[in-house]
Amino acid sequence: DIQMTQSPSSLSASVGDRVTITCRASQNIGAYLNWLQQKPGTPPKLLIYAASTLPSGVPSRFSGSGSGTDFTLTISSLQPEDFATYFCQQSFSLPRTFGLRTTVEVK
Amino acid sequence: QVQLRESGPGLVEPSQTLSLTCSVSGGSITGGSYYLTWFRQPAGQGLEWIGRMHTSGSIYYNPSLRSRVTISLDTSKNQFSLNLRSVTAADAAVYICARETSGGYDYFDSWGQGTLVTVSS
Repeated sequence: DIQMTQSPSSLSASVGDRVTITCRASQNIGAYLNWLQQKPGTPPKLLIYAASTLPSGVPSRFSGSGSGTDFTLTISSLQPEDFATYFCQQSFSLPRTFGLRTTVEVK
Repeated sequence: QVQLRESGPGLVEPSQTLSLTCSVSGGSITGGSYYLTWFRQPAGQGLEWIGRMHTSGSIYYNPSLRSRVTISLDTSKNQFSLNLRSVTAADAAVYICARETSGGYDYFDSWGQGTLVTVSS
């Protein structure tokens, strides 16, 4: 199985801050990397797929970069609705595997 | 996107079979090329991928669970199901169904809320 290592596990930030979360795969996965956001009591929501593609409806303050084994999710200016949990997921091979998530908290 | 909702017993006795159903609304379960997937998340742990069935019928299970798992599709009811046999306390988790796109850079576009399953006598 491909191991996904995500960091940090949590971070504290303020509205307007630039936030960066990293994800590392245990082997080369090309651009087969997705980012998801989850809020308490709700299902995960897709933020980015194919490492850097935003689905329609996702604000442009979210961006993704990277390929191979190292990936980054960036929130350019944190908004109140962005305080949530984020996790990466590889779609390169089966079984699908996920990072252990990053919780973005209010500073 | 469609809406997914899990249902089934919240309590299963050890050695018995866990049976869950994922009901799909807002579209046909076979309306397109998708993977219908089951996950679980034990308390305080990460998501574990259990297996998936393509809308064409092909199936793949996580090797760690393959000997105990069956995923099936009921197109007449627009739902798919999970059976996990011979459960133990280690199988207690929130079980979640989801739909994954098929055909390239795939991603999960619809998720259920999850249902908590406890294993106890």
